[in-house]
Formats: sequence, C-alpha cells, structure tokens
Amino acid sequence: GAGVSQSPSNKVTEKGKDVELRCDPISGHTALYWYRQSLGQGLEFLIYFQGNSAPDKSGLPSDRFSAERTGGSVSTLTIQRTQQEDSAVYLCASSLQERGGLDTQYFGPGTRLTVL
Amino acid sequence: SQKIEQNSEALNIQEGKTATLTCNYTNYSPAYLQWYRQDPGRGPVFLLLIRENEKEKRKERLKVTFDTTLKQSLFHITASQPADSATYLCALVRSTGFQKLVFGTGTRLLVSP
Repeated sequence: GAGVSQSPSNKVTEKGKDVELRCDPISGHTALYWYRQSLGQGLEFLIYFQGNSAPDKSGLPSDRFSAERTGGSVSTLTIQRTQQEDSAVYLCASSLQERGGLDTQYFGPGTRLTVL
Repeated sequence: SQKIEQNSEALNIQEGKTATLTCNYTNYSPAYLQWYRQDPGRGPVFLLLIRENEKEKRKERLKVTFDTTLKQSLFHITASQPADSATYLCALVRSTGFQKLVFGTGTRLLVSP
C-alpha cells in the first residue's frame, strides 16, 4: 500500500514568512510523529500525535512552531516567522501504535525547508 | 545528559567484507533499540529491532547485538554489497508503547566494488 507522503518536497522561503508542511500518514496508523534533521545532525523529535491529540510536544523548539492533526489522518506543521536556523529537512513518520506493542515507525521522504 | 554516539566518520569497506557499525549510549536505559537505513534525500527505513533482554538478532545478512552492560549495540552487514552503501542510524526507545525515538547522528557506509 501507499507509504507516508509529505508535501511539498522542497520549500524555499524568505526569513519572516510562515510555512506549512503537510504529512499524509499510512492509512490506519494512529500515531504520527514529526522530526527535524539538520545538516550533519541526527533526527530531532518535535511532536507526537495519538489520534488528533498531541500528548508530547516537548520537542517543538519555540512557540513559532505548531502542529495539528485532523480526522486522525493528515497533519500540518506550521512554522511562523521563519528564521534561517529553521532550515532543515522535516520528516514525518507514522505507526500503528499497537497497545503494549513495539512501535516501528514508517517515515516519509521529508520536506527540505530553506529559509533565505 | 543522555547521549547516543555513532561514528561520524564514513566507513569504507570492500564488497564481500563484513561491515560493523557501532552505537554507544550514555545515561539511558532503553527498552529496545532500532536500526534504520537512510539513503540521500529519503526518510529512514526500519531494518531491525532488538529488545533489552535479547543479545542478538538476525535478519538475512544483517545482525544486531545489544550489550546493556557496555551500553553498546553493534550492527553487522555480512557479504556487503555496493547497494548497502547508505547512512545507518540507531535509535533508542525507553519503553513499549509510545516513546519518541532518540536517534544517533548516523554512520555513512561506503561499499566499494
């Protein structure tokens, strides 16, 4: 079946503009995760959704970052007033989140964000 | 602070040899550990998972070991092929159910023909 998809694949924006990044998880996956990968860095956790709620937002770097998920499916990550340090690849992952099970996450291809 | 370390230098080996990648962690007690492969411009792809009470796990040409005393996992690719060239990431999870994956920075593997 279809994997996790993300759009756009690339986004170039000017400092101070707002951007929206979209993630379509695998159908039926209840858990959705956003990560950020900067050049030469490991993946950095941003936020986790279980259904439409976000029990863990601890990784969001500032209040300029927000995310929502609707219908237990699509998620949008919004970055307001973008800064150059926001430039990175933003990765989305989803998982079945079976009760008591081991959580294997399936990643999308990412959105490469460049802030000029 | 919690730390996951993978060799940042690329590992260059010849086709047919065994590649061994290392993942060390400190100040962490993971319930399980995962290894992912990441190709340029792509998201990570899950390869193997090993629980804290398992010493070794195998899947085809892949083998993972987990030593909770040494706080180390080793990832082996036997009979390596040029197609195995990629960045390999280890990730730790504290418990079952939801836990955010904490990733190492990855090690780039280059397999020469």
